[in-house]
Amino acid sequence: GENVEQHPSTLSVQEGDSAVIKCTYSDSASNYFPWYKQELGKRPQLIIDIRSNVGEKKDQRIAVTLNKTAKHFSLHITETQPEDSAVYFCAARNTGNQFYFGTGTSLTVIP
Amino acid sequence: DSGVTQTPKHLITATGQRVTLRCSPRSGDLSVYWYQQSLDQGLQFLIQYYNGEERAKGNILERFSAQQFPDLHSELNLSSLELGDSALYFCASSVTPGQNYEQYFGPGTRLTVT
Repeated sequence: GENVEQHPSTLSVQEGDSAVIKCTYSDSASNYFPWYKQELGKRPQLIIDIRSNVGEKKDQRIAVTLNKTAKHFSLHITETQPEDSAVYFCAARNTGNQFYFGTGTSLTVIP
Repeated sequence: DSGVTQTPKHLITATGQRVTLRCSPRSGDLSVYWYQQSLDQGLQFLIQYYNGEERAKGNILERFSAQQFPDLHSELNLSSLELGDSALYFCASSVTPGQNYEQYFGPGTRLTVT
């Protein structure tokens, strides 16, 4: 089955700096890679996603890159703000429409 | 609002009891997933249903069972509850044929076993 690894587990940045979270996956047939943001006690919210036929996608301060050859994808947050503080999860979806999640990154943005 | 609903929001029960968690997927979504999230833990995949049929099983205990009904809502049954079953239980839905395949999460049910 698919195995998704996520790094780092915790990340602290100064407000205004950039944050990068990286994930690797094992199943080369995985074709869809979403990122979720989860605030304490709340549901994971889809913030950005990328399909396997695209190398990069950007939405305002958030971007995701995908390297299919290396089987890794990354979340980039620029100009971080305190409200970006949360736990971020990456995931990979296989052809059976099953989702495999990384273990999460706790991001703290220091004002 | 993701369009996925879950009831109840909170549930407090005693060890040894049985509870049922309910989930209604987004309109048109055929697939329902159940996840367990213990304190400060990641999302543990429990089980997936697609159009009424079980599609995949994750780390689901034998004391737990689920089903998806013809109207596509799903129920997760937890029996012989133990203290360690206390967690947030999320339902997510996906797969609206002809549209995108994103997965959206419901607000979760917080289960406390005392």
